[in-house]
Amino acid sequence: DTGVSQNPRHKITKRGQNVTFRCDPISEHNRLYWYRQTLGQGPEFLTYFQNEAQLEKSRLLSDRFSAERPKGSFSTLEIQRTEQGDSAMYLCASSLAGGREQYFGPGTRLTVT
Amino acid sequence: TQLLEQSPQFLSIQEGENLTVYCNSSSVFSSLQWYRQEPGEGPVLLVTVVTGGEVKKLKRLTFQFGDARKDSSLHITAAQPGDTGLYLCASLTDSWGKLQFGAGTQVVVTP
Repeated sequence: DTGVSQNPRHKITKRGQNVTFRCDPISEHNRLYWYRQTLGQGPEFLTYFQNEAQLEKSRLLSDRFSAERPKGSFSTLEIQRTEQGDSAMYLCASSLAGGREQYFGPGTRLTVT
Repeated sequence: TQLLEQSPQFLSIQEGENLTVYCNSSSVFSSLQWYRQEPGEGPVLLVTVVTGGEVKKLKRLTFQFGDARKDSSLHITAAQPGDTGLYLCASLTDSWGKLQFGAGTQVVVTP
């Protein structure tokens, strides 16, 4: 399977705990995006990378959120001190530089209890 | 930030019927994409429209881009249960590929 993969697919955690999600993009794609989607809404942009450089972060990404793409390949999204409002589907997408098409992974569904 | 409004929010039809969903904005789209998302999965790109007045067809799906590039529609002919899903429109907001999505139209096609 050469598509975008995300792990874990589901995560249940207690409020206050830290969680980390991983995204493996399509291998030749140098752009990587993170989005968050809550029930009944479309995905909202969080941040994106060109290779290992993080180019922009949304105001939705509070100080509790951090994303990395250390070698320009896979990326991680960490949420510290989770809150119930963080419950959502976290989607990763990748694309070629200059390309209009983004390929999405299946997402990680986070539930904070 | 460009606001994308999709209508209707929800649509339930019988197999074989036709349906149309809409995506509108108060400002001009540089380009517009339509995605379909199934439960528990990420969105899958259906089409990208760029030119005002453009019409694209994908089997039973017809996509139109308004002449003024402020609106778009997706028409499905003879809908099938496999067409069930959340249909999202999205606009490319910058040269880096950042997408702005609408809230989506949930389509349910019953046999």
